[in-house]
Amino acid sequence: EPEVTQTPSHQVTQMGQEVILRCVPISNHLYFYWYRQILGQKVEFLVSFYNNEISEKSEIFDDQFSVERPDGSNFTLKIRSTKLEDSAMYFCASSHQAGALREQYFGPGTRLTVT
Amino acid sequence: DQQVKQNSPSLSVQEGRISILNCDYTNSMFDYFLWYKKYPAEGPTFLISISSIKDKNEDGRFTVFLNKSAKHLSLHIVPSQPGDSAVYFCAASPLSSGSARQLTFGSGTQLTVLP
Repeated sequence: EPEVTQTPSHQVTQMGQEVILRCVPISNHLYFYWYRQILGQKVEFLVSFYNNEISEKSEIFDDQFSVERPDGSNFTLKIRSTKLEDSAMYFCASSHQAGALREQYFGPGTRLTVT
Repeated sequence: DQQVKQNSPSLSVQEGRISILNCDYTNSMFDYFLWYKKYPAEGPTFLISISSIKDKNEDGRFTVFLNKSAKHLSLHIVPSQPGDSAVYFCAASPLSSGSARQLTFGSGTQLTVLP
């Protein structure tokens, strides 16, 4: 069964450093998402991406964040200058379409630890 | 901002019995609802969904009920099995002119099925 994959599984970085989190969505999916879950809190939406552009973004997704689909398979989240409060699990998700079938399929997550 | 609420942080059920997980929402713009299951150190796994034009959707042991007037949905698992022990998240997606629709998650309910 096809699945969303994410690398790395755990990333430790120092405050102020740039990180890139990588995702490979399910191959025939067209819509891509990033969510995060700070320890003990809800899963929160960050950004959605369709047709090579951002579709929606939340207040969390400020100028320090960017997303890219550099080729036909990868979908990346970049944090330019990490802060301590960026420590969280980051989940990538993809969906085939946004209409009748809106199920989003999630990857296993990348645990980001900012020290 | 608690647009999707799961008021029970935990639920314990005997194996073979019915598990009922509840979810309330406040945003009238939500028109699609999903349940996800999450094991520790994994991403959310899609279980079942329901559109606002329906009041029930069934898939094997899982049934989701939607009461739009009460802005309430529930997930029934019957019979419950020890492997069902996980955190269950309710999520909602809005009717939107945008093409990719973010999910808003509840805080989750830890289900423990006792053998």
